[in-house]
Amino acid sequence: DTAVSQTPKYLVTQMGNDKSIKCEQNLGHDTMYWYKQDSKKFLKIMFSYNNKELIINETVPNRFSPKSPDKAHLNLHINSLELGDSAVYFCASTLTGVPYGYTFGSGTRLTVV
Amino acid sequence: AQKVTQAQTEISVVEKEDVTLDCVYETRDTTYYLFWYKQPPSGELVFLIRRNSFDEQNEISGRYSWNFQKSTSSFNFTITASQVVDSAVYFCALRRIQGAQKLVFGQGTRLTINP
Repeated sequence: DTAVSQTPKYLVTQMGNDKSIKCEQNLGHDTMYWYKQDSKKFLKIMFSYNNKELIINETVPNRFSPKSPDKAHLNLHINSLELGDSAVYFCASTLTGVPYGYTFGSGTRLTVV
Repeated sequence: AQKVTQAQTEISVVEKEDVTLDCVYETRDTTYYLFWYKQPPSGELVFLIRRNSFDEQNEISGRYSWNFQKSTSSFNFTITASQVVDSAVYFCALRRIQGAQKLVFGQGTRLTINP
């Protein structure tokens, strides 16, 4: 009964490959997010979707493309992976108008070699 | 623009000592939320507390306490009688009440509790 689940947990891939990370939440939330945590532990938002609509798109290379088929799912596709994309990617969800913190997934550690 | 600063990059103390983690924030909003998250070595992000900007009461939860001072834009976190299991990276974060509900995180403070 995991609240926010991400797959895979670990991903090792070569430069230039294309990969996807998937996220699903069963909390009934309507807003989902992708955050990136770099090697210095700094957490920064990348994207947010509300009811399948993109509402936040920070300065992220266009090699990163999020997709939300429904409000319970948010996927992240990355084209032409670069060494600098190595990081931990966290998915999170929340319910609009409800003053909770986010519920975070356990993270996907992406290593580009 | 919103900004959160955790000036202490790393703190190391001996078990049973008290330790305070500082958090200073910047925002033009008059109402907002402040949060603390814990990231243990296992890597997940654990929610600790949420505080509304209009509620300046300090909060205590067991060995944890939080001191919110709107006048100085600070939201400090104190662990009393620290334990080895408190070793983690701690993040302070800010979120607007209106508009895009993204969390803006500080840089994190790595806390090491030595036995």
